[in-house]
Amino acid sequence: ETGVTQSPTHLIKTRGQQVTLRCSSQSGHNTVSWYQQALGQGPQFIFQYYREEENGRGNFPPRFSGLQFPNYSSELNVNALELDDSALYLCASSLFTGDYYGYTFGSGTRLTVV
Amino acid sequence: DQQVKQNSPSLSVQEGRISILNCDYTNSMFDYFLWYKKYPAEGPTFLISISSIKDKNEDGRFTVFLNKSAKHLSLHIVPSQPGDSAVYFCAASAGGNTPLVFGKGTRLSVIA
Repeated sequence: ETGVTQSPTHLIKTRGQQVTLRCSSQSGHNTVSWYQQALGQGPQFIFQYYREEENGRGNFPPRFSGLQFPNYSSELNVNALELDDSALYLCASSLFTGDYYGYTFGSGTRLTVV
Repeated sequence: DQQVKQNSPSLSVQEGRISILNCDYTNSMFDYFLWYKKYPAEGPTFLISISSIKDKNEDGRFTVFLNKSAKHLSLHIVPSQPGDSAVYFCAASAGGNTPLVFGKGTRLSVIA
């Protein structure tokens, strides 16, 4: 059973650029969630995908967008990067079967915007 | 508006003693609560959870207590070990496929 893998592990971008972060879900999981963890804060929910459809979104602007693919891997895209977007971005996958489920997190992508 | 609050940013405990980490929540719809542990350069890893129909759940050295009327939960670690030194996050869910809401975390340092 493979875990959740995220790529890249670290990234430096310039303000105004665009970035794509990638996540491979744990085998058998059908839901992926993305979180942003700023320094000294807890993970903040960005959005969640279930069977390739967005089914929940946190308080993030539209320049944060995502995709979930048929193999349940996922991408997080951020346009027009701002300095405050510098954070650890965490992907978590889970299997929703109608009851509560547990999340498995990846190690994250550390994004620095300069 | 923080729905899950961990009011102690840090806690220092001697090895072998009890560590008690606290968490408060405001959303009455939350019915499932979890604790995650996070080491630097790693993602959070699941530690223990509790459903709102219970008031205690135990797993080895870790016990979570839930007081629904006070909207408060706590994680007890007995005995504490140096390897327990990490950041601990409390998280809550309203069930179904709703996302987890996290607190800001408490950094636990267990001193040998």
